[in-house]
Order: sequence, then C-alpha cells, then structure tokens
Amino acid sequence: GAVVSQHPSRVICKSGTSVKIECRSLDFQATTMFWYRQFPKQSLMLMATSNEGSKATYEQGVEKDKFLINHASLTLSTLTVTSAHPEDSSFYICSARDPRGREQYFGPGTRLTVT
Amino acid sequence: GQNIDQPTEMTATEGAIVQINCTYQTSGFNGLFWYQQHAGEAPTFLSYNVLDGLEEKGRFSSFLSRSKGYSYLLLKELQMKDSASYLCAVTDSNYQLIWGAGTKLIIKP
Repeated sequence: GAVVSQHPSRVICKSGTSVKIECRSLDFQATTMFWYRQFPKQSLMLMATSNEGSKATYEQGVEKDKFLINHASLTLSTLTVTSAHPEDSSFYICSARDPRGREQYFGPGTRLTVT
Repeated sequence: GQNIDQPTEMTATEGAIVQINCTYQTSGFNGLFWYQQHAGEAPTFLSYNVLDGLEEKGRFSSFLSRSKGYSYLLLKELQMKDSASYLCAVTDSNYQLIWGAGTKLIIKP
C-alpha cells in the first residue's frame, strides 16, 4: 500500500521555541494532505487540510498563525508549531489522500513534548 | 450536526468473535472507513464500504446499511494482537472525514 512518512517521530522542545514536522507521500502525489492532533485516549482531531499550491484550510478553533502549514510540493507538507507551549504537547499525525483511491494513508505520527 | 457513535470499550476472549457497531448522522455520505489504531501509533486502514452489504477481508468483515446509518466491524478468531482502538469514519458530502471517538477493544486470554 501507499506509504506516508513523517519526521521527526519524537521531539522535545522548550517552551517558546518552534518545531517543524514534515509529512511526505513516498509513492504517490498528494494534492491534499491532512494534519491531525490526538491527545491521550482521545480520537483524532482534524486541525487543517493542506492543499498543494494554495493556503491551508483550518478547522474552527485552530490558530493559523500558531500552526503554520506549507504544502510546497505534491509530496511534502510541513506543519510548524510556533512559540510552542506545554499544552501543545500531543501526538501529531499527517495523512495523505491517494488520488487514485479513496482512503487516506497515515504517517507514523510525531510525538511532541514541550517542556 | 454531524455525529458518529461507537461504543467506548469492549472486551472479548481470544479465539472468539466480536462485533463493533457504528452509527452515523452526517451531511451526505460518500463512504465509511474502519481504521485500527494501536496505542501510540497512527491509524491503519482496515476497510471501506460505500454500498450496502458485507465486505469480507480475511478475519475482518465490515457491513454497511446506508438507510439505517449503521455499520459494524466483525473480527473473527480474535488474537491478542487485535487489542487496539477501532475507529469508524464517514466521508461526508464535502469528502471530509468525520471521525468517531473510537472503540477500545480488549482481548483476554
């Protein structure tokens, strides 16, 4: 099946710093990628839809200036958590929709810990 | 509003069969997905239903009734490794995935 990679898998940063997470589709071109956040024992929460070549669409309640999304190519989307705070500590997961099919393929996730 | 309901937690015995139900109310329908998620890992795709009926894939089967807004995931010959959360998700009229909260399945020896 399709493969989506995510980097880094784990990151620990200090409060106030910024962290960039990369999401790559390895064997297909993804015009649309999705960024999710998942807190412990909770379901996935869609943060934003990343569209190649255009601005991301953010879900209600998600600060676009804090969570910067760039979809610079058909295989790469990045999420930058700016001025991170401890409450931003979470599991961030990206997914990409294969235009040849229906399902979304998920990256392995990035566990962010802000100290 | 849009809503997907599934049980929070279920327990079953190794070797047995378990059925995880999912009901949905969404603005439009373009397919229903089941994903498996082990603790600390990203979800993995299990099945997709867009037409009524049963889709069988090995030990896992998924059923859909669009008129009832209902689906179930059936797991046979349960193994300990099947202990995970199972997420039901529906694609609405805008092709956006609406996620259920997930069902934590606990398998006991």
